[in-house]
Amino acid sequence: QKEVEQNSGPLSVPEGAIASLNCTYSDRGSQSFFWYRQYSGKSPELIMFIYSNGDKEDGRFTAQLNKASQYVSLLIRDSQPSDSATYLCAVKVSNNQGGKLIFGQGTELSVKP
Amino acid sequence: DTEVTQTPKHLVMGMTNKKSLKCEQHMGHRAMYWYKQKAKKPPELMFVYSYEKLSINESVPSRFSPECPNSSLLNLHLHALQPEDSALYLCASSQVSGGAGDTQYFGPGTRLTVL
Repeated sequence: QKEVEQNSGPLSVPEGAIASLNCTYSDRGSQSFFWYRQYSGKSPELIMFIYSNGDKEDGRFTAQLNKASQYVSLLIRDSQPSDSATYLCAVKVSNNQGGKLIFGQGTELSVKP
Repeated sequence: DTEVTQTPKHLVMGMTNKKSLKCEQHMGHRAMYWYKQKAKKPPELMFVYSYEKLSINESVPSRFSPECPNSSLLNLHLHALQPEDSALYLCASSQVSGGAGDTQYFGPGTRLTVL
C-alpha cells in the first residue's frame, strides 16, 4: 500500500473553472501536509502547507485537511493555463528530526483556454 | 528570501569521471536534503543533514557521497556513476524547528546525464 496516494491524471479543466486535487495518506501520525507545483523540467515550488483540520486559503488556492479521513486536498479557483503543471502532495513523517517528506506520485493538471 | 541555489544547472559525465554537485542556502536553515527525481516520478529522498550531521541515508549506493562543510553548503560527490543515475538532482533546505510547519524549499536542480 502506497503511503501517499494521488490520482495521476491528467486532470483537465477549462479556464476559469475550479480544479480539485486530492491526496490520501496512510500514516495516522502525520503532522504536516504540503502541496508543491512542478512545471515540466523545473523543480518543485511550494504552494501551501497545512497542519490543522479545516481549510486554509491563500489567494486562489485553498488547502483542506481532514485527519480523521486521512485526506488532504487542494482547490484552485479561477484556473488559468499557467496553472498547468504537476501537483505533488507531500506528507511529513511523524517524529522524525529533519522532516522526511513522503511524496505522492503527483497529479498532472491541464487548464484549457 | 527562500532561495536555494544549485550548481551546475546541467552536467554530463562519463562513468569513470568524478564530479560534484553544489547547493547553497542563506536562510539560516539547519536541515538540508538531497533528492533524486526521474522523469514522471516524484522526488526520491537520498540524504538528510541536520545541524551539519548526516541524519538520514536512504540506502544510497556509495558512488554518491554527501558532504556538508558548513550550515549553508551541501555537496554531493559523484564517482563511477551508471547511466541509470541520470536524473534531476534536487537540493532542499528547511528549518529544524521540530514544529509541524517545517517547510522544505527546493533549489532549481542539476540535470545530470551519465554517458
